[in-house]
Amino acid sequence: AQTVTQSQPEMSVQEAETVTLSCTYDTSESNYYLFWYKQPPSRQMILVIRQEAYKQQNATENRFSVNFQKAAKSFSLKISDSQLGDTAMYFCASYLIQGAQKLVFGQGTRLTINP
Amino acid sequence: EAGVVQSPRYKIIEKKQPVAFWCNPISGHNTLYWYRQNLGQGPELLIRYENEEAVDDSQLPKDRFSAERLKGVDSTLKIQPAELGDSAVYLCASSLDQEKKQFFGPGTRLTVL
Repeated sequence: AQTVTQSQPEMSVQEAETVTLSCTYDTSESNYYLFWYKQPPSRQMILVIRQEAYKQQNATENRFSVNFQKAAKSFSLKISDSQLGDTAMYFCASYLIQGAQKLVFGQGTRLTINP
Repeated sequence: EAGVVQSPRYKIIEKKQPVAFWCNPISGHNTLYWYRQNLGQGPELLIRYENEEAVDDSQLPKDRFSAERLKGVDSTLKIQPAELGDSAVYLCASSLDQEKKQFFGPGTRLTVL
């Protein structure tokens, strides 16, 4: 089975602070990708960052970085210097390269950045 | 480069009526996905196309849902007849197979009364 769990339904931080969103996943496959997507009120799902499971180095995209712990099946997202525009729902997702080949999403974390 | 285009953005219908959603993927993307997103949840895959072939429709309720992707480009998702439980956001996404990054459209919010 391919499952993704986000245990934080909501989070709120002040502008310019650093925030970390948690995600755990479960799969028996060894070849997969992990993603974080952002969904603002406009509903558009926007790709934030991608991690290939075979890479040990954590992915980074400007203010966004991940902490990928493969053995623990953990994939957290860190947002540095948070901005008001970061306010959105954040979804963690896994993608199996063999087999299902579909994104399986977690339940989401609603992040609010306060001025 | 234009993103994934979907129409309409909103649709309100009465139950038992038919409804159709349209998606135009990013140019050159061979893989197209339809997802359904219920309120407060993450999207769930309905169907995946590789070019014009539906390679995974295991989650598509085939008694009332149908989809097509003519010529491997645009796609249409249809519901007939709609039920109250079909109220959701329907998202279309596309990707280049080798990149595995899916790019989403703005979605269609369906309300069934």
